[in-house]
Amino acid sequence: TQLLEQSPQFLSIQEGENLTVYCNSSSVFSSLQWYRQEPGEGPVLLVTVVTGGEVKKLKRLTFQFGDARKDSSLHITAAQPGDTGLYLCAGAGSSASKIIFGSGTRLSIRP
Amino acid sequence: DAGVIQSPRHEVTEMGQEVTLRCKPISGHNSLFWYRQTMMRGLELLIYFNNNVPIDDSGMPEDRFSAKMPNASFSTLKIQPSEPRDSAVYFCASSRSLTGELFFGEGSRLTVL
Repeated sequence: TQLLEQSPQFLSIQEGENLTVYCNSSSVFSSLQWYRQEPGEGPVLLVTVVTGGEVKKLKRLTFQFGDARKDSSLHITAAQPGDTGLYLCAGAGSSASKIIFGSGTRLSIRP
Repeated sequence: DAGVIQSPRHEVTEMGQEVTLRCKPISGHNSLFWYRQTMMRGLELLIYFNNNVPIDDSGMPEDRFSAKMPNASFSTLKIQPSEPRDSAVYFCASSRSLTGELFFGEGSRLTVL
């Protein structure tokens, strides 16, 4: 069974600080997605990474896929209150049959 | 274009009652997924369909849960009989492929008393 573990589970930081969220697995994924979920809504896709070592940037968010395609990280620079939410990584297995979600990181940015 | 539409948004019912959750996927999407989300267990995949055919229902917790997709524009998730531990937010998501971007509905919040 493929599992995705995210860390930390909870993170509360001050506006303007930087942070990194990690998504780890012992399995190889053909692609990995990051979603953000706000209260009362469903998750919304932020980015998909496909190639080992790939780095993608979305404004202040930087996503990296590990070289071995087993892990990923999300780095936020100068966090803002609008970044508050639940961040979920999701991986597509090598058999590419379905997507499984990580346990999530609940992020709170204090003004 | 309309997104994934789920109904009801909220349901409160008593233990033992039948619950039916409904989902209309985005037109043209071939894959449909049902997830359950709780604080304790996170987002769990219950069942998914491809071209209206159930592919994997190994995430369905018990025989009390069943799901159907009679056509490309409609799916239901039924719980009969419901139990308090079924209380959760149930999400439906659709996608152009099994591993493509997932588009989620707003969820159905179920409370079983």
